[in-house]
Amino acid sequence: AQSVSQHNHHVILSEAASLELGCNYSYGGTVNLFWYVQYPGQHLQLLLKYFSGDPLVKGIKGFEAEFIKSKFSFNLRKPSVQWSDTAEYFCAVLNNAGNMLTFGGGTRLMVKP
Amino acid sequence: EAEVAQSPRYKITEKSQAVAFWCDPISGHATLYWYRQILGQGPELLVQFQDESVVDDSQLPKDRFSAERLKGVDSTLKIQPAELGDSAMYLCASSLIPGPPINEQFFGPGTRLTVL
Repeated sequence: AQSVSQHNHHVILSEAASLELGCNYSYGGTVNLFWYVQYPGQHLQLLLKYFSGDPLVKGIKGFEAEFIKSKFSFNLRKPSVQWSDTAEYFCAVLNNAGNMLTFGGGTRLMVKP
Repeated sequence: EAEVAQSPRYKITEKSQAVAFWCDPISGHATLYWYRQILGQGPELLVQFQDESVVDDSQLPKDRFSAERLKGVDSTLKIQPAELGDSAMYLCASSLIPGPPINEQFFGPGTRLTVL
């Protein structure tokens, strides 16, 4: 069975600090990985996704993630966070059949102005 | 921009009562998903439809939960009877087709259920 672990449940940063949120997955098949973001009071939105090819994936709003197969990781990064990045971030893995998207527990990010 | 619609946004009910949630996916999206998100956790898939057919309902507590998508468009998720542990956010999502590389699930705003 596939699973996703996000070890950082809460992260507090000051504006302009660099961000890295950890995501480790467990899945034996071809990996399809996602990061979703949920801003306060809003619905889940796709931040970026990895299906194949370049392991460094760029998403919206300056976010990027790197797929490291040997470490079973797909960490999310942003070089300089803004107050508007305050949100909850979810990592997810999709199985080969495309019918099972498994989410991690989420990381709640607070950016102090 | 097309969005997934859900109603109601909030629902408070007493245990043992029946509740129902409605979802209207993005037009043309054949695949529809219902998730449950308990506070502090990530969403968990309850059921997946492809058009009007159930593809996966292995995580749906079938003794009290039911879901339908009769005409392959909008969908209803029902709980009868509701229990205290059902308090959660119920999310609906849709995608054009299942599976990579195109699969992107678009989520609705959710229905927050509180069972008293």
